[in-house]
Amino acid sequence: DTGVSQNPRHKITKRGQNVTFRCDPISEHNRLYWYRQTLGQGPEFLTYFQNEAQLEKSRLLSDRFSAERPKGSFSTLEIQRTEQGDSAMYLCASSPSGGKGNSPLHFGNGTRLTVT
Amino acid sequence: AQTVTQSQPEMSVQEAETVTLSCTYDTSENNYYLFWYKQPPSRQMILVIRQEAYKQQNATENRFSVNFQKAAKSFSLKISDSQLGDTAMYFCAFIPDSGGYQKVTFGTGTKLQVIP
Repeated sequence: DTGVSQNPRHKITKRGQNVTFRCDPISEHNRLYWYRQTLGQGPEFLTYFQNEAQLEKSRLLSDRFSAERPKGSFSTLEIQRTEQGDSAMYLCASSPSGGKGNSPLHFGNGTRLTVT
Repeated sequence: AQTVTQSQPEMSVQEAETVTLSCTYDTSENNYYLFWYKQPPSRQMILVIRQEAYKQQNATENRFSVNFQKAAKSFSLKISDSQLGDTAMYFCAFIPDSGGYQKVTFGTGTKLQVIP
């Protein structure tokens, strides 16, 4: 168990460019979550997967955002045509089957995106 | 919809002293989970303590304990014998039992500084 891994740790991009983040969850966890955290706020839910199926997307996830989890392993989050308002920390987390409050949720270190 | 309020943006405590962080929430749910998460600078968010609403007994994890007042919708965290490693952002979070981590609501956090 090496924990949840996210890459890159930091990403600086110019407005209008596309960016992609990767998350490797704990291997036996079949639920994977993406959250966004802006300065001075707690994390906000973006989307989650049960194995390879994307089960829910937040209204925060505009059509410029897309997430995948091929084969139910790692996940990617892509942002197209980035805007300055996309600047935030993007957190990935995973949990065992069920994903309810009695299951542990493990977070990665996050990817900090800065859009200039 | 649920709300979670942390009214103390920043707090400080002397090493070895005790500090209490406040959290209030609002919900119409009867069964739910409450959490305190710790986010050290540039490090991943980790679970400090969890409380199930149907359990009357306050949760305790070593130096960390909670004061859960269901009727008052209050969930404070007490850190005893504060250590330098306790310096971090602390987030209170809520999940309804009817949902999972896709339904989580975080507070805005309390930045705790432990002073040597």
